[in-house]
Amino acid sequence: NAGVTQTPKFQVLKTGQSMTLQCAQDMNHNSMYWYRQDPGMGLRLIYYSASEGTTDKGEVPNGYNVSRLNKREFSLRLESAAPSQTSVYFCASDPGTGGASIYFGEGSWLTVV
Amino acid sequence: GIQVEQSPPDLILQEGANSTLRCNFSDSVNNLQWFHQNPWGQLINLFYIPSGTKQNGRLSATTVATERYSLLYISSSQTTDSGVYFCAVNGAGSYQLTFGKGTKLSVIP
Repeated sequence: NAGVTQTPKFQVLKTGQSMTLQCAQDMNHNSMYWYRQDPGMGLRLIYYSASEGTTDKGEVPNGYNVSRLNKREFSLRLESAAPSQTSVYFCASDPGTGGASIYFGEGSWLTVV
Repeated sequence: GIQVEQSPPDLILQEGANSTLRCNFSDSVNNLQWFHQNPWGQLINLFYIPSGTKQNGRLSATTVATERYSLLYISSSQTTDSGVYFCAVNGAGSYQLTFGKGTKLSVIP
């Protein structure tokens, strides 16, 4: 009963390096999301995929790219990491209800030095 | 976009006390949810409540959509209730949940 699984859980990057955060869900959900959470803030949407084959920008997409690899998997890529991207990243999924039955992964702590 | 304000930002309670958390939002919403983020960072969906009242054990929530606010009630608080409580909303047809900044609750023995 895994739900939403994110990897890696912790990562330290140097400025300018690239990396990909992986996310997979086993609930047969249509929609998947990537959020970031900064200290003292709520979550902000980076990108989402309403259904397999589609992706759209959220509130804070700059510096990120995404790929909806298949129905289960949704990856987030940082092409050239910057210190401003130090954050906790959450992947989430829902059946296609626009967030009404949303499940979150456990988060990925990313530090860019 | 929709603005979400939560109050109070911080709350310290003695174990066994009751509390009320408030969420105000700036526009009509199609979806309103309350989440609990535990001290380890895990986010749990507590209520989907765009209108009306729901109860789940010691927690209950009420949303008055016409007046654009929602309340989360925690009764007989326990130390395991500690963490941050978030309210999140989105409008009709929108996939973007807008989160408030949260209420940090600390329940002390």
